[in-house]
Amino acid sequence: EVQLVESGGGLVQPGRSLRLSCAASGFTFDDYAMHWVRQAPGKGLEWVSGISWNSGSIGYADSVKGRFTISRDNAKNSLYLQMNSLRAEDTALYYCAKGSYGSGSYKYAFDIWGQGTMVTVSS
Amino acid sequence: SYVLTQPPSVSVAPGKTARITCGGNNIGSKSVHWYQQKPGQAPVLVIYYDSDRPSGIPERFSGSNSGNTATLTISRVEAGDEADYYCQVWDSSSAFGGGTKLTVL
Repeated sequence: EVQLVESGGGLVQPGRSLRLSCAASGFTFDDYAMHWVRQAPGKGLEWVSGISWNSGSIGYADSVKGRFTISRDNAKNSLYLQMNSLRAEDTALYYCAKGSYGSGSYKYAFDIWGQGTMVTVSS
Repeated sequence: SYVLTQPPSVSVAPGKTARITCGGNNIGSKSVHWYQQKPGQAPVLVIYYDSDRPSGIPERFSGSNSGNTATLTISRVEAGDEADYYCQVWDSSSAFGGGTKLTVL
C-alpha cells in the first residue's frame, strides 16, 4: 500500500524553527518528485515546496522562500521541510504529497497525499 | 503569480451532472489537475493533465480545458461526491484555485 506519513508538527513561537518529516512506503521513493502542500484552518490549498527525484530541481512558494528548506533522503525514503523564522501565517496543516512523475522536474500532479501534520505558530 | 478562479459553490441534485469551472488567463495552454477533498480528509487526485483519470476514480469524473476555462464534470452525481474541489496548475510556481464546495441536494 502506498503511504505517506508526516510528523514533526506542533506548537511553536513566532521566529522559532521546526522540522517536518514525511516517511514514504509502498512505492519506489527515489523515482518520484515530492512536495509539501499546506492548508490553513478553514482555507484552501497552498503549495509550499517541491523537489525532484534527485534533488536537482527545487522550488518554493514566494511566501516561504528564504525561510523554508526542502530536502530528501532517498536511502531513508524520507522527505523533510526545515521551517525557520516561523510566522503566525504559517499556521496550517502540512501535507506531504507525491508527484505523479519523477524525471527531471517536480512540476507534476500530486497523486498521493499523507494525512498531514499540524503546525501552529503562536506565542 | 498565476490566478485561478473557481465558483465558491455548486449545487446539484442526485443523478444530475455537476460542472465545476476553473478560470485562468489562457489556461488552455496549461495542464490542469483536479482534487477532491472531503471534510477531515486529505485531498484526492481525481483528474490530471486536463482529462486523465487516475486508477480507482470512477468514469463519472471527466475534465476538459480550453481557452480561459477548465471544467471538471461529474456525471450521475451521488451523495458521496459532496466535497470541496480544487483545480491546480503549474506556472512559475504552483497555483490552486480557491476551491468549490459541491453540495448534493
